[in-house]
Amino acid sequence: GAVVSQHPSRVICKSGTSVKIECRSLDFQATTMFWYRQFPKQSLMLMATSNEGSKATYEQGVEKDKFLINHASLTLSTLTVTSAHPEDSSFYICSAAKERGWDQPQHFGDGTRLSIL
Amino acid sequence: AQSVTQPDIHITVSEGASLELRCNYSYGATPYLFWYVQSPGQGLQLLLKYFSGDTLVQGIKGFEAEFKRSQSSFNLRKPSVHWSDAAEYFCAANFGNEKLTFGTGTRLTIIP
Repeated sequence: GAVVSQHPSRVICKSGTSVKIECRSLDFQATTMFWYRQFPKQSLMLMATSNEGSKATYEQGVEKDKFLINHASLTLSTLTVTSAHPEDSSFYICSAAKERGWDQPQHFGDGTRLSIL
Repeated sequence: AQSVTQPDIHITVSEGASLELRCNYSYGATPYLFWYVQSPGQGLQLLLKYFSGDTLVQGIKGFEAEFKRSQSSFNLRKPSVHWSDAAEYFCAANFGNEKLTFGTGTRLTIIP
């Protein structure tokens, strides 16, 4: 149980386009979803936390107008990278927790490799 | 400041040998602690977690971890590694909110 699906797994697009990444919890309802960014050979950096039906909470230094997060249902959250540029190229990973609370483990998707040309 | 430290960037172990990956945290209380494994180009899989109680925690794939309050450590162990264990391992902690703080990861290489 606790499967999280992320789509697409890889995307290559031209500079200036917007890219949408989906994160779905397949067999559970996710009260909270998280979006991370991982640079090559580095750890995961939390970008934002989203709770179903409310606005996402962004970490310091993350541009909310650049990285639009929507958590429209208990099984789906989307991250849209608007007007993407080469510096936005990275590995983006989502995770989902069944309930709110600091004792809730996060279940991760397989990530999306974003390459901006 | 609250932090998670994985002192070893890269570890190489022979197949069949034992493994210990180190993790230390900095926090004024006991955090919730996790170990995740990441295969190349993929997301993270939860190996085990510690919240309270028995300080020796059993996880999946034959892994275990021991919480030591006196050393602020949560080291991951496996008695005999398999080639399929080669991956990146991340220690993470939750310091009283919903967010996970990750260590920098340890890359495990298995040699025949």
